[in-house]
Amino acid sequence: KAGVTQTPRYLIKTRGQQVTLSCSPISGHRSVSWYQQTPGQGLQFLFEYFSETQRNKGNFPGRFSGRQFSNSRSEMNVSTLELGDSALYLCASSVRVPETQYFGPGTRLLVL
Amino acid sequence: SQQGEEDPQALSIQEGENATMNCSYKTSINNLQWYRQNSGRGLVHLILIRSNEREKHSGRLRVTLDTSKKSSSLLITASRAADTASYFCATGSVGGANSKLTFGKGITLSVRP
Repeated sequence: KAGVTQTPRYLIKTRGQQVTLSCSPISGHRSVSWYQQTPGQGLQFLFEYFSETQRNKGNFPGRFSGRQFSNSRSEMNVSTLELGDSALYLCASSVRVPETQYFGPGTRLLVL
Repeated sequence: SQQGEEDPQALSIQEGENATMNCSYKTSINNLQWYRQNSGRGLVHLILIRSNEREKHSGRLRVTLDTSKKSSSLLITASRAADTASYFCATGSVGGANSKLTFGKGITLSVRP
């Protein structure tokens, strides 16, 4: 089976812009979770989608949003970017939470 | 809040030595998992142990789980330079729509050649 893919892999944006990241899960996986990873804060949970429904959300401002499509692909959007949003964004898919998660390679976002 | 807390935060050993990493947690869990992350890349699942299991092996990895002490340990035997990475424990809890997998802050392991 193909692994989890994330696009784009690298992104440079300026403050105030918005960005959309995409994640394609492993075939058959209905759960997609998103994480933000920074050197200072570590790995922080953003949200989890299962069958197009957001089931859990981490402690992030409303500028962070996501959605999941009927084919389980997921997107996350960050509006009004801030410097502190610079991070590695990881997506992971699983059959269901809290079973094994399979991570994509991540999207590295740099906000200037 | 983060459920699993790893200990130590950083570990440096010589190639060939064993590496032991610990994880403690606070509430009831359904399973506990260990992941590895090489610098700047995605996490890779290593092993999952369920709450009714006490020990599990996978190659050079051995994981133990003590639910009475709410702790787990990951042992890597005969370490190699390629084991240099960050290791995360994650606790899984089941509760319908509130099912969660919560990651700790991670342990940085350096294996010196």
